[in-house]
Amino acid sequence: GIQVEQSPPDLILQEGANSTLRCNFSDSVNNLQWFHQNPWGQLINLFYIPSGTKQNGRLSATTVATERYSLLYISSSQTTDSGVYFCAPQLFKTIFGAGTRLFVKA
Amino acid sequence: EAQVTQNPRYLITVTGKKLTVTCSQNMNHEYMSWYRQDPGLGLRQIYYSMNVEVTDKGDVPEGYKVSRKEKRNFPLILESPSPNQTSLYFCASSSFGNLGSYEQYFGPGTRLTVT
Repeated sequence: GIQVEQSPPDLILQEGANSTLRCNFSDSVNNLQWFHQNPWGQLINLFYIPSGTKQNGRLSATTVATERYSLLYISSSQTTDSGVYFCAPQLFKTIFGAGTRLFVKA
Repeated sequence: EAQVTQNPRYLITVTGKKLTVTCSQNMNHEYMSWYRQDPGLGLRQIYYSMNVEVTDKGDVPEGYKVSRKEKRNFPLILESPSPNQTSLYFCASSSFGNLGSYEQYFGPGTRLTVT
């Protein structure tokens, strides 16, 4: 099956800083999602992005399916951005990466 | 309000005592799925359903059963729970949609402890 690798595994930012999270996958996929799990455990879908670029406020994502990676950009980070960010290629049989744990310091 | 609900939110039970975790969505979604989350192992898919009466195994289906008799409900059944099924469980749903957007919406999670 598809292997998913996320980097970095951990990230500490000062509030206001920008960051880029990366998701590499081992095989061609025709869909990919990014999720955020907040410190209380709630999972929220950020982007469904099989290819191209999408933006939602301070967050944006880019997937280059032909090169088997996706990037999640967080600009002007806030403490509420803390948590774990997961990417998940595929759709019906969903495979999650191990996640990037982000802590934003005030 | 569009939502996925799970019940119970917390459950402590004993080995071998059958239990059911319910999942319900009010968005008329075709697709529903169950995941478990464990420290060091991340999120793994247990079962998923493409529509009523259509279910399939995910990565870790052993020890679990599901059914999809109605579109809105997708219960997870543990016939004989064991301590290795102690975990945080999430239900999710999504629409296949005419617009081609498949965002998964997650329930709040069920923390299960089997002693």
